[in-house]
Amino acid sequence: ETGVTQTPRHLVMGMTNKKSLKCEQHLGHNAMYWYKQSAKKPLELMFVYSLEERVENNSVPSRFSPECPNSSHLFLHLHTLQPEDSALYLCASSQDPGQGAADTQYFGPGTRLTVL
Amino acid sequence: RKEVEQDPGPFNVPEGATVAFNCTYSNSASQSFFWYRQDCRKEPKLLMSVYSSGNEDGRFTAQLNRASQYISLLIRDSKLSDSATYLCVVNNGGRRALTFGSGTRLQVQP
Repeated sequence: ETGVTQTPRHLVMGMTNKKSLKCEQHLGHNAMYWYKQSAKKPLELMFVYSLEERVENNSVPSRFSPECPNSSHLFLHLHTLQPEDSALYLCASSQDPGQGAADTQYFGPGTRLTVL
Repeated sequence: RKEVEQDPGPFNVPEGATVAFNCTYSNSASQSFFWYRQDCRKEPKLLMSVYSSGNEDGRFTAQLNRASQYISLLIRDSKLSDSATYLCVVNNGGRRALTFGSGTRLQVQP
């Protein structure tokens, strides 16, 4: 399936590096999401963009910085990360129906990040 | 109390068995409910949405009980390929974002 793609698939970085994760969706959706999945923990929502506007931010540290230039692309800029930030970072997209409901989210394959 | 709670398992069942998972959610204003499946080191994939009247898709049946705030998933005639982690997912209190449970691990054995 190529509905949601993510690059890179694997990333190893030092604590002083700056890197960016990229997500692209080909489904015509109007909302995109970043999630973090650490070992043995549930998916944690990091950021939501709906109609290219950030609508929720769940108190994620400022060393993670999202960017959504258009409805098909989403970036997560990383800088001065900590070893505990090592995790699987998943991008998802959906068609936001509005009015408090939530439609199915489709996930990309994820970027497995290791911070040394 | 967690927003979405699931028994982590693992559930070890033989091929052909019927297995049921339950999930409870804390916010009565939640409107959308889903079961996702996640294979080891892969992304979550939608298994089925859960509707108020209950719904069935082949060997899989999902039920929603709003009064008790729980969701169930029944898998009949288990296959080896059903081995995965099953995630209960709820949109929390009418927000766009989805809240994921920690997942229930199923291992179907030959």
